[in-house]
Amino acid sequence: EPEVTQTPSHQVTQMGQEVILRCVPISNHLYFYWYRQILGQKVEFLVSFYNNEISEKSEIFDDQFSVERPDGSNFTLKIRSTKLEDSAMYFCASAADGNEKLFFGSGTQLSVL
Amino acid sequence: QKEVEQDPGPLSVPEGAIVSLNCTYSNSAFQYFMWYRQYSRKGPELLMYTYSSGNKEDGRFTAQVDKSSKYISLFIRDSQPSDSATYLCAMSAANRDDKIIFGKGTRLHILP
Repeated sequence: EPEVTQTPSHQVTQMGQEVILRCVPISNHLYFYWYRQILGQKVEFLVSFYNNEISEKSEIFDDQFSVERPDGSNFTLKIRSTKLEDSAMYFCASAADGNEKLFFGSGTQLSVL
Repeated sequence: QKEVEQDPGPLSVPEGAIVSLNCTYSNSAFQYFMWYRQYSRKGPELLMYTYSSGNKEDGRFTAQVDKSSKYISLFIRDSQPSDSATYLCAMSAANRDDKIIFGKGTRLHILP
């Protein structure tokens, strides 16, 4: 069964450092998303991406965040200068159609020290 | 008022019981309603997906949507210990690119 894969599963970084979280969405999907979940809190929308551009972003997704689809298979989330409060589980998701069923990866646990 | 409200639990029920999980919401524009299951340290997994009001059944799972009351439910029949997980309700509006909003999730424990 096709699945969304995310690497790394864990990422530890120092405050102020840049991190790149990587995702390989399901191959025939056209809509891509990043969500995050701070420990004990709900899954929060960060950004959606379609047709090589951001279609929507939340207030969390400020200038420190960027997304890119550098080739036909990868979808990345970059945090330029990490803060302590960026520590969370980051989930990538993809969908064949907007508002259709989202398939989530297993997440990257980001710890900012 | 929060956009999507869900009792975080935990909810503990004996094996074999019927489980009822619920969410309320405030945005009348929501048209798509979903239930996700999330095991510890894993990504959410889609269980049920419904559009607008009504019921949908899939095996032991039944999803109900009552748009007039802004209330959705997930029923699990003949609950099993493997059903122990966090259940997240989620919903979005009709526009193609509208983001999906999640509830906080209800932790469910099925006691053998």
